[in-house]
Amino acid sequence: DVQMTQSPSSLSASVGDRVTITCRASQGISNYLAWYQQKPGKVPTVLIYDASTLQSGVPSRFSGSGSGTDFTLTISSLQPEDVATYYCQKYNSAPLTFGPGTKVDIK
Amino acid sequence: QVQLEQSGVEVKRPGASVKVSCKASAYTFTNYFITWVRQAPGQGLEWMGWISPYNGHINYSQNFQGRVTMTTDTSASTAYMELRSLKSDDTAMYYCARLRNGWVIDSWGQGTLVTVSS
Repeated sequence: DVQMTQSPSSLSASVGDRVTITCRASQGISNYLAWYQQKPGKVPTVLIYDASTLQSGVPSRFSGSGSGTDFTLTISSLQPEDVATYYCQKYNSAPLTFGPGTKVDIK
Repeated sequence: QVQLEQSGVEVKRPGASVKVSCKASAYTFTNYFITWVRQAPGQGLEWMGWISPYNGHINYSQNFQGRVTMTTDTSASTAYMELRSLKSDDTAMYYCARLRNGWVIDSWGQGTLVTVSS
């Protein structure tokens, strides 16, 4: 099975900072990658799908890129409401494996 | 809007089984796969499998093969997930979710907390 890794596992940044999270697949998955945001105590929600397509209603400060095995999620200007754990997930085929998550908080 | 309403908190003994329900509303139930994801306390998301309410096609994660059964009742727009031979490390929040075309999760249930304790 394809394994998903993320880095860093956690980060602390200031409001307004540019934040980048990396997700790597152990084998190529084309662009079949989604990013989910899970705020503390809440249900996850999808931010990005097909590696770079912004889900309707998601602020434009979020963006995704990559294809094959290497992907990034970027928050162009971190806001207090972005405190959350971010997960990548592959969906080219089963199993729909999630990455281990990246916890983002405010410095 | 799309809603997935899950059954309530469960407390089980080790070795027991649990069956969680997930009632869908505001969309055509048979048009979308249902998937199940669990999250142990303080941990990440773990995919358990999916089921097609249209034809019953199922795909289980190898991690749960033999212990999990996913079913649907199309007349009630409800999906079910049964997990057997429970262990303490099955203690988790269990989510049902809807998979849209391309297998992206676009809606989640509120979660069902299952605690396994002697």
